[in-house]
Amino acid sequence: EIVLTQSPGTLSLSPGERATLSCRASQSVAHNYLAWYQHKPGQAPRLLFYGASIRIAGIPDRFSGSGSGTDFTLTIRRLEPEDFAVYYCQLYGDSPPLHTFGQGTKLEIK
Amino acid sequence: EVQLLESGGGLVQPGGSLRLSCAASGFTFSNCIMNWVRQAPGKGLEWISVITTSGSSTYYADSVKGRFTISRDNSKNTLSLQMNGLRPDDTAIYYCAGHRGNTYGPFDDWGQGTLVTVSS
Repeated sequence: EIVLTQSPGTLSLSPGERATLSCRASQSVAHNYLAWYQHKPGQAPRLLFYGASIRIAGIPDRFSGSGSGTDFTLTIRRLEPEDFAVYYCQLYGDSPPLHTFGQGTKLEIK
Repeated sequence: EVQLLESGGGLVQPGGSLRLSCAASGFTFSNCIMNWVRQAPGKGLEWISVITTSGSSTYYADSVKGRFTISRDNSKNTLSLQMNGLRPDDTAIYYCAGHRGNTYGPFDDWGQGTLVTVSS
């Protein structure tokens, strides 16, 4: 079973700064079947990327996803106030499916 | 507009049972693989179960296997989660989430969640 480890646990930055969030898998992720979600308190989580780097329609292009194999990165180029949230990476596509989530990175305003 | 609306949460004693429902609208429910995901207080997201489009295959996380049962009624556009043998560590917000396709893909759509509290 693949384990996803996200770092850092908490990232404190100011609006306008660049955020780099890491997701490391304990084994290589087949086909780069890795997704990223944004989750704000009291709201439903929102899918940002799938296939490690394919941006969902409507997600601003200041967000980018990259990586392959075991190392994946979510980058937010210039932070906007609405970007402060918890971000999760997730595996998908296995059979049988084990849609494992990473433990999350909290992006907070400095 | 795609909408997933969970219901059925509440306070239940340890060892008790609860049945959650998720009403889907705005998309072809029968074409979507559906999941339940939960978030315990102060914790991250935990995937707990998935059901295929026809309902013929189901899978569970080890934490709920043997206690929870996922099901769906495509004629009523409804997803359900029967939870038996509830424990305090099952306390969480429970979300239904769907992938718009017949593969074990990422979760395109999510509900707002329903809170389950297991306590005496």
